[in-house]
This record gives sequence, C-alpha cells and structure tokens, in this order.
Amino acid sequence: AQKITQTQPGMFVQEKEAVTLDCTYDTSDQSYGLFWYKQPSSGEMIFLIYQGSYDEQNATEGRYSLNFQKARKSANLVISASQLGDSAMYFCAMREGVRRYNFNKFYFGSGTKLNVKP
Amino acid sequence: DTAVSQTPKYLVTQMGNDKSIKCEQNLGHDTMYWYKQDSKKFLKIMFSYNNKELIINETVPNRFSPKSPDKAHLNLHINSLELGDSAVYFCASSRKVVFQRRLDNEQFFGPGTRLTVL
Repeated sequence: AQKITQTQPGMFVQEKEAVTLDCTYDTSDQSYGLFWYKQPSSGEMIFLIYQGSYDEQNATEGRYSLNFQKARKSANLVISASQLGDSAMYFCAMREGVRRYNFNKFYFGSGTKLNVKP
Repeated sequence: DTAVSQTPKYLVTQMGNDKSIKCEQNLGHDTMYWYKQDSKKFLKIMFSYNNKELIINETVPNRFSPKSPDKAHLNLHINSLELGDSAVYFCASSRKVVFQRRLDNEQFFGPGTRLTVL
C-alpha cells in the first residue's frame, strides 16, 4: 500500500482564491509527522509546514494551513489568497520511525502541480 | 551558511562513464539521504545513512555506491552510467531524534544535481 497518496496530479486556482491540496497517508505508528514541501520550477525543495501526530491543533504558517484529520488519515494543505508565485509542484510527506534502526524514514507522495491563474 | 550543499549542480556525461556527486550538511544531523527525481517529478528514496552507516538501500542497482566519510558528508558514486540514470538527484538530511513539537523535524534538501546521460 502507498504510504502517501496525492490524488490530484494537477490543480488550477484563480489568483487570490483559496485552494486545498489533498493528501492521505497510511501508517500504524502512533508517533509520526506530516510535511508539505513546495518545488518551484527552479527545482529546489522548500519546506512549508509540519504537523505532528500528537498535535491537536492544525498547523498554520502564514498563508499555509494543514487540515489534519487523524481518523481519516488525511493532511490536506490549504493555501489561502493564492499568488502567482504559488505555482509549483507540492509534495506531501510523512516521517515514520524505523525502530529496528532507530532512525526516521520519510515517504513522499507523487505531487500535485498547482497553477495559479491571473 | 548553506544548510545542505551539493556539487555539481549540473552534470552532463556520456553513457558508460563513472561520476560522483558530493553532499555536505552543516546542520549537525545524524541522518542523510539520497533521492532520485525522475522526469515525472516522482521522488524516489535511494539510500538512507545514519551516522555514517548505511541503513537502507532501496533496491538501487550496485552501480550506485554511496560513501559517507563522516556524518556531515554523503557522496554518491555512479559507475557505468546509463541513459535511465538521467534525473535530478537530491541529497537531504534530518535529525535522528525527533521531538514532536519542534519545528525542525523536516528533511532539509540540497539544491539538487541534474544529471544528463547522453
């Protein structure tokens, strides 16, 4: 089974509107972390937001918020007031502990390409 | 004060050649990773290293040999390059010990190395 699923290969949004990028995850661990990264056309991976599995409140970072629904195992990214510079590829990721080796493994989704229209 | 650096940024070479990509992180992290991102932008984990030791090899061909001279460096050597090796290779690092609510739980990525095999 896929650890991270992003079902939207591409999305369009009008400038200044809000957009939600979907992400579902699969884990049997109690302690894990969820992340979103942005990859603009220039290629670098930019960390946007983090949610710990024990965090009761949804994470927010400026115009980014993570809609964390633990029971549904979803971690959707909401971008409010979209800007042209938000056009990029967005990756959802999960950190899981690997007890046998005492380190953390990260899993990435296949990404969603967001296009912001003027 | 770059956190994770990679060299070179671009690498163009002929099929059959041997090449190396260097990675260094100055974050004091114990864990380092190599990812391959193909033309469809899918991020595939290749290797995970913890404190200079190989932890996970994600069924990568033997032509790929990572080397970690110390925990701040993880280099990737590729023998007998093939056309299918053309991709962007990302180095990343993260903490080994994770605190749920700390803001630096994420992986920090290098800028990527675009490898083109002709």
